[in-house]
Amino acid sequence: GQQLNQSPQSMFIQEGEDVSMNCTSSSIFNTWLWYKQEPGEGPVLLIALYKAGELTSNGRLTAQFGITRKDSFLNISASIPSDVGIYFCAGREQTGANNLFFGTGTRLTVIP
Amino acid sequence: GAVVSQHPSRVICKSGTSVKIECRSLDFQATTMFWYRQFPKQSLMLMATSNEGSKATYEQGVEKDKFLINHASLTLSTLTVTSAHPEDSSFYICSASEGAYGYTFGSGTRLTVV
Repeated sequence: GQQLNQSPQSMFIQEGEDVSMNCTSSSIFNTWLWYKQEPGEGPVLLIALYKAGELTSNGRLTAQFGITRKDSFLNISASIPSDVGIYFCAGREQTGANNLFFGTGTRLTVIP
Repeated sequence: GAVVSQHPSRVICKSGTSVKIECRSLDFQATTMFWYRQFPKQSLMLMATSNEGSKATYEQGVEKDKFLINHASLTLSTLTVTSAHPEDSSFYICSASEGAYGYTFGSGTRLTVV
């Protein structure tokens, strides 16, 4: 199945810094989702986006659904140690099945 | 919010035996559930789509006879890894679709085949 291109692959940042990661696909998506996964756990939904251009916030997290419908970004402001984890983008194609395709993940490390 | 319960969280089995993993939607009905496999430090790869009352749809390269999926009710899907071998060791995660947009994941099952 399709896999989304997510970057960066990993990030090491100081506590308090802002973080930005993005995801691109080769096809048009009608839904973009951002998940966080911690070791030994399933992904937990952070933000869901349903319209092109949509900008949505969840606390210190902000995500946008790209105008082209082929990309999305996630920003985390003022990072804290508990932000550590792997962040995945996921999307559902405009046409076709109901399943999600996942990005390759961004491993975030926050240095206190 | 929607909750998906996955059981067991960890299982160790002997090579050649079969293992069943359950995925339950606790507070909603899920006509569709999804099974993913995740290797260490990698992303989730869709294995199959489980449809209530009908046959599962498998992704290319996933053996139907190796990974048996049953979705007998609107709240339960099971994945059975048959005749498991060490290469089947992995982290298996299910998710349930609550409607057009909702995708909730279980906490995953760590399978180790020895």
